[in-house]
Amino acid sequence: DTAVSQTPKYLVTQMGNDKSIKCEQNLGHDTMYWYKQDSKKFLKIMFSYNNKELIINETVPNRFSPKSPDKAHLNLHINSLELGDSAVYFCASSPRTANSPLHFGNGTRLTVT
Amino acid sequence: GENVEQHPSTLSVQEGDSAVIKCTYSDSASNYFPWYKQELGKRPQLIIDIRSNVGEKKDQRIAVTLNKTAKHFSLHITETQPEDSAVYFCAASIAAGGGNKLTFGTGTQLKVEL
Repeated sequence: DTAVSQTPKYLVTQMGNDKSIKCEQNLGHDTMYWYKQDSKKFLKIMFSYNNKELIINETVPNRFSPKSPDKAHLNLHINSLELGDSAVYFCASSPRTANSPLHFGNGTRLTVT
Repeated sequence: GENVEQHPSTLSVQEGDSAVIKCTYSDSASNYFPWYKQELGKRPQLIIDIRSNVGEKKDQRIAVTLNKTAKHFSLHITETQPEDSAVYFCAASIAAGGGNKLTFGTGTQLKVEL
């Protein structure tokens, strides 16, 4: 019973397509995140939601649109995929309290050809 | 915004030796400093964290120190073992709207050789 689960694990698609990644957490956390890890392993925050409300929106192209139907789910939709979008996308969650650790999902490896 | 620098980028040690990874941060408002270990193809996993009201924390072979004045913190692994081989990330966090905004360092590839 994975605490933070993402689907799919692998996603291979062509440039210009639209794709979605889903994330669910069963930890009862209020806050969820999307992080992008590029080919150099650099981890960078993209978005954060607290109880369905967007609280962090970094400089991310508006082709990326997160959606949180409830506090246990945070999905990521990407329009018009580009080669540079190829990366591993990690979902994470944390309790509402500040200074709490993030729990990461297993990641989705997106390859755009 | 916050900027976290991490050194070295690669570190090779002999089994049983100690390993030290150092990080600096720029925003004095950062008050939470976790360290994550990421094995190849796996997710980052928390190994230890420290809050700004504490100068040092230890958990078995792992310790972290924090110098708020100098804005740097370090990870110390003693008696290294082959299973310690992984990429280690430091991070600095500012509370943001009910969660944390974690800014990660660029990672250190640790290799423990037999």
